[in-house]
Amino acid sequence: KAGVTQTPRYLIKTRGQQVTLSCSPISGHRSVSWYQQTPGQGLQFLFEYFSETQRNKGNFPGRFSGRQFSNSRSEMNVSTLELGDSALYLCASSARTNTEAFFGQGTRLTVV
Amino acid sequence: GENVEQHPSTLSVQEGDSAVIKCTYSDSASNYFPWYKQELGKGPQLIIDIRSNVGEKKDQRIAVTLNKTAKHFSLHITETQPEDSAVYFCAASKSGNTPLVFGKGTRLSVIA
Repeated sequence: KAGVTQTPRYLIKTRGQQVTLSCSPISGHRSVSWYQQTPGQGLQFLFEYFSETQRNKGNFPGRFSGRQFSNSRSEMNVSTLELGDSALYLCASSARTNTEAFFGQGTRLTVV
Repeated sequence: GENVEQHPSTLSVQEGDSAVIKCTYSDSASNYFPWYKQELGKGPQLIIDIRSNVGEKKDQRIAVTLNKTAKHFSLHITETQPEDSAVYFCAASKSGNTPLVFGKGTRLSVIA
């Protein structure tokens, strides 16, 4: 069974640009959650999508957005990038909330 | 909302010794407590989880205990090996489509 796939693995962007990250969940999983991981803050919840609907949202500015497609694949977008957005962005898939969540390897975003 | 505190932030043990990592949570309605291991350059990997209707769960060298009254849960690793060196995260969630809330992590170093 294939795991969670995140693309790309690495990104370097300039301040002010925007970026789109992609996540393909485990087959059959309908819940996709996104987390931002930084050394000082640990894993911070961004948002969760279930069956194409955003079900939960963390405390991040509106520059962070996401969506989920009918095949459960999800994308997150960050607009007007800031230096502080540099982080590892992790995607986790689960059959439903409050059950086992499986993470991808993450996308390392560097904003210069 | 839920808040998860994790201690210690760093832990060094001699190979063969035991390691214990402790977490406390604030929301008494939380009922699912997973533990993740994150190796360098990889996403977090689920290693064990426990639900609130169980006090202890074991899987070979790892075990998790839960004290609902005190609202804390712990990860125990026995006979530690160098490959156990990683960052470990605890998390908590509750029913009702709420996301996982993570502790800030413990960096475990097993010294050969």
